Order: sequence, then C-alpha cells, then structure tokens
Amino acid sequence: DIQMTQSPSTLSASVGDSVTITCRASQSISSWLAWYQQKPGKAPKLLIYKASGLESGVPSRFSGSGSGTEFTLTISSLQPDDFATYYCQQYNTYSLTFGGGTKVEIK
Amino acid sequence: QLQLQESGPGLVKPSETLSLTCTVSGGSISSSSYYWGWIRLPPGKGLEWIGSIYYSGSTYYNPSLKSRVTISVDTSKNQFSLKLSSVTAADTAVYYCARPKHPITGDLAYWGQGTLVTVSS
Repeated sequence: DIQMTQSPSTLSASVGDSVTITCRASQSISSWLAWYQQKPGKAPKLLIYKASGLESGVPSRFSGSGSGTEFTLTISSLQPDDFATYYCQQYNTYSLTFGGGTKVEIK
Repeated sequence: QLQLQESGPGLVKPSETLSLTCTVSGGSISSSSYYWGWIRLPPGKGLEWIGSIYYSGSTYYNPSLKSRVTISVDTSKNQFSLKLSSVTAADTAVYYCARPKHPITGDLAYWGQGTLVTVSS
C-alpha cells in the first residue's frame, strides 16, 4: 500500500498569511495527487487534481505543486473561508489513500 | 449536474452488517468509465477510502477492510451499494459515496452529502 504523510497536522495562521501544507508519498505516485478541503458537517471539496490542476470554481489563491513523492498545497493569502481541514490523496493505484489531514486554524 | 445521495440505517448493532446505498442522478452510472467509491470519516479522525467499483462491476477494496466489505452496482436503478459486515464501534463514521472528475482516475469531484452511521447496541 502507498502511505501518505501530511504535515503539519495543525497550522495556526492569520487572514492574509501564505500557508503551505506538505504531503509525502511512501513511493512515487507521479502526479496522481489530489487535494481536498473539508469543513465540519460537509463533504470534502476537490481543490487540486493531478498535483497542480485547479478545479473549476476554486480561487486562484490555491495552488498545488510536486511530483514523485513530495507535494505541496499553498494558499497564497488566507481568507476567512479557508479555515478548514485539508487532505491530500493519491490515486496512482486503484487503491486510494488519504493523508492524515491538516487543520488550518485561526491564530 | 451529477448528484449522489447516500441512504441507509443510521444505527447498526455490533456484529451486524452495515448496508448503504448511493443513488446517482444527473448521469448514468454505466455510461462512462468511472470508478464509483465509498469513503468514510470516523469522528475525530481523517478520511478513509473503503473501496470502489468500476461501472463494469470490477471492485477494489481497502486492504484493511477487504475481508468485511462488499460493493455492488445496480445499473437498472442507477445505484451502487456498500455492505460492511461484523461491525464494531470503530466503524462509526460519516459514510460518503463519490465519483471522480476524470474517467479511470481517483480525483473525487462529486460527493454525496454523507450519512452518519453509529454502531451501538
């Protein structure tokens, strides 16, 4: 199985900050990585697909990069609506795996 | 617009079988090469992929749950279903069904609203 390790698990930041979340795969997954945002009581929302593809309707302050085993999600100027939990997920194989999640909190 | 909706009992007794159905509207479950999946979110924990089914019926399961999981598809009803046997309190979670954005990939763009299943006697 491919393991996905996210860091940090919690991140405290202020509105306007630029924040970066890292995701590492236990083996190469090429660019088959997605990022999701989840708020309490809501389904996850796809933000980024294929490591850097911005999903339709997602603000351009969200960006993804990386390939192989190292990936990052960057939010360039944190907005109040961005405080949520973020997950990476690999789909290099038919067996999908998620990272443990990063909770972005208000400082 | 594709929509997915989970349904099933909200309370299941320990050792029994959890059964959920995902009804798809706004598109045919058998019209394209998509994997239809089940994912869960236990309280206080992260997302866990349970398994997926290809429109043709091929299934793929999380190895940690494989011995207890069955996913099936009913194209006539435009539904796919999840059965999880021998449940324990650790199976208490919000269960989601989902479909990818692109065929033959796993970038999950379409999600149901989720349904809470509690395992308790």
